[in-house]
Parts: sequence; structure tokens; C-alpha cells
Amino acid sequence: GNSVTQMEGPVTLSEEAFLTINCTYTATGYPSLFWYVQYPGEGLQLLLKATKADDKGSNKGFEATYRKETTSFHLEKGSVQVSDSAVYFCALSGGSYIPTFGRGTSLIVHP
Amino acid sequence: DTAVSQTPKYLVTQMGNDKSIKCEQNLGHDTMYWYKQDSKKFLKIMFSYNNKELIINETVPNRFSPKSPDKAHLNLHINSLELGDSAVYFCASSQMDTNSPLHFGNGTRLTVT
Repeated sequence: GNSVTQMEGPVTLSEEAFLTINCTYTATGYPSLFWYVQYPGEGLQLLLKATKADDKGSNKGFEATYRKETTSFHLEKGSVQVSDSAVYFCALSGGSYIPTFGRGTSLIVHP
Repeated sequence: DTAVSQTPKYLVTQMGNDKSIKCEQNLGHDTMYWYKQDSKKFLKIMFSYNNKELIINETVPNRFSPKSPDKAHLNLHINSLELGDSAVYFCASSQMDTNSPLHFGNGTRLTVT
């Protein structure tokens, strides 16, 4: 079946550091790929998405590129802020795909 | 206006009781979902309805029964609650097309004592 694997956390960074959270997926065909963010006590919110190979999704300084050849969708941000501290989920869905989430990666940013 | 709303936000109950969680979305979406999030933040899909019809029913004990009276509502009823049912339950909705993301409610934290 389809699956999403993302790096285990927590990821702990200082403010203004560079962030990478790795995500790879297994699926037949070409699902759409998403990153969601979850702040404490809240539901998941869409952060960015990409719908086909080589697409780059971006939002609030975060970026991820849909790499079909490596089945990856790594999340990056050039300079993190304390307010970025949250849990980040990589996911695939679309069409006949059951929306499937990775295990989540907790990000902690220190001042 | 809240797009996906769940009630209650917190639910504390004893083993063996029966409880319900309600979910409503005002986005006009045709597909709704229930997810269970455990203490390690792992999200597991439980059910999905499309236009009031059940389309996804993962391996969930039959003590859990979803009900969709219309496409804007998807409720979850749980019978004979067990300690292991303690988790955060999220309702979500989406349009049934390739690019549509899920919109989540803020969750219901269920604690079974």
C-alpha cells in the first residue's frame, strides 16, 4: 500500500538556522504531495502542496519540491523563527489515494 | 467562520460508557474523514464518507460507528469505551479531486478513565 516516511524528531534549532525535514513516499502512480503544520491544541493546517513532478510548493518561507526520481518531498526553510515551532506532517492524497500521513516531525526553535 | 468544527473539544469518561463526537463543515466539501491521533502524534485514518456514503473503513473495532446524515455532517459514536480509545480524534473534509488538501477541525481530546 501507499506510505509516507519522514525523519524522526524532535528537530531542535536556533533561530535563523536552516531547516530540512526529509520526506519520502511509496505509491503507485503520481499522488499529490502536501506538508501540513500542527500547532499545539489545534488541527493540521495546509502549509504547501505540489501536484506533479518537479512542482515546487512554497508558503511562509517554506519550500518543497516534488521529486519523482527519488520519491521525495523534503521541506526546507532558510531561516526559522521561534514561531515555526510545531509538528510538521508530510502527506500524499488525491484521486483514488487514501490520504496518508507521515508520523510527524516536531520542530523546536530556540531564541 | 469556522470551516470544520467538532464538538466537544474535550471528553472525559469512564470505561464502558458510550459517547459521540459531532463534526460539521461549511466548506461545501463532498468528502469527510475521521482520523485518530495517538500520543506520539501518529495520524491513522478511521473512516471516510463521500456524499453520505461510506468509502473508507479501515481496521477499526465495530464499537466505532460513523454516521453521516448529510454531506456537511459526519458524527462518530463509540460504544463500550476502553482505555486504549484515549486519543485525539480529528474530523476533516476535502473535495474529491486530485489536488484538494484536507481541512481539519481542532480535534476532540478523549480521555477514558
